[in-house]
Amino acid sequence: EAGVTQFPSHSVIEKGQTVTLRCDPISGHDNLYWYRRVMGKEIKFLLHFVKESKQDESGMPNNRFLAERTGGTYSTLKVQPAELEDSGVYFCASSHDRHEQYFGPGTRLTVT
Amino acid sequence: RKEVEQDPGPFNVPEGATVAFNCTYSNSASQSFFWYRQDCRKEPKLLMSVYSSGNEDGRFTAQLNRASQYISLLIRDSKLSDSATYLCVVNSLSDMRFGAGTRLTVKP
Repeated sequence: EAGVTQFPSHSVIEKGQTVTLRCDPISGHDNLYWYRRVMGKEIKFLLHFVKESKQDESGMPNNRFLAERTGGTYSTLKVQPAELEDSGVYFCASSHDRHEQYFGPGTRLTVT
Repeated sequence: RKEVEQDPGPFNVPEGATVAFNCTYSNSASQSFFWYRQDCRKEPKLLMSVYSSGNEDGRFTAQLNRASQYISLLIRDSKLSDSATYLCVVNSLSDMRFGAGTRLTVKP
């Protein structure tokens, strides 16, 4: 069974540019989550989709972040415009039953 | 106060040692509890779920004390391959809260 995949693995962009991260969950997992780890800090929750609906987006830092999951399959997380403090590793996870979550390899974002 | 607190370590132990990690959480409404391990520059991987009755998986034993809001992980007969950061994770409703992790290094 294929795991959670994320693309790209790394992204280096300049402040003010736009970046879109993609996550493909494990097939059949309705629950999809985005997390972020900034340097030196713990992993923090961003938002949770159930199929195509946003169940909880309380962790989204501000309106420069937009997540979508059209069709309830893969999800994208867009940062526009990117700021220096957005640098970090963005993880996606999926689960079948909202309990055990399986993580993707992450996208390492560097904003210069 | 952080929602999930762990001793950051590092714990440096010899092969074959027994080591225990502790974790406390602040939200009494938390519903599910997990230990994940994370290797350097890798994603977190589920190690085990934690149940009220306690559960064991080979050399790993996890315990949950809801009254004290405390979770533990015991590793027996440590292997070199156990070296990693161990993350305590607490699930409240739809999101998971992570501890900052405890770093373990097992030395020959």
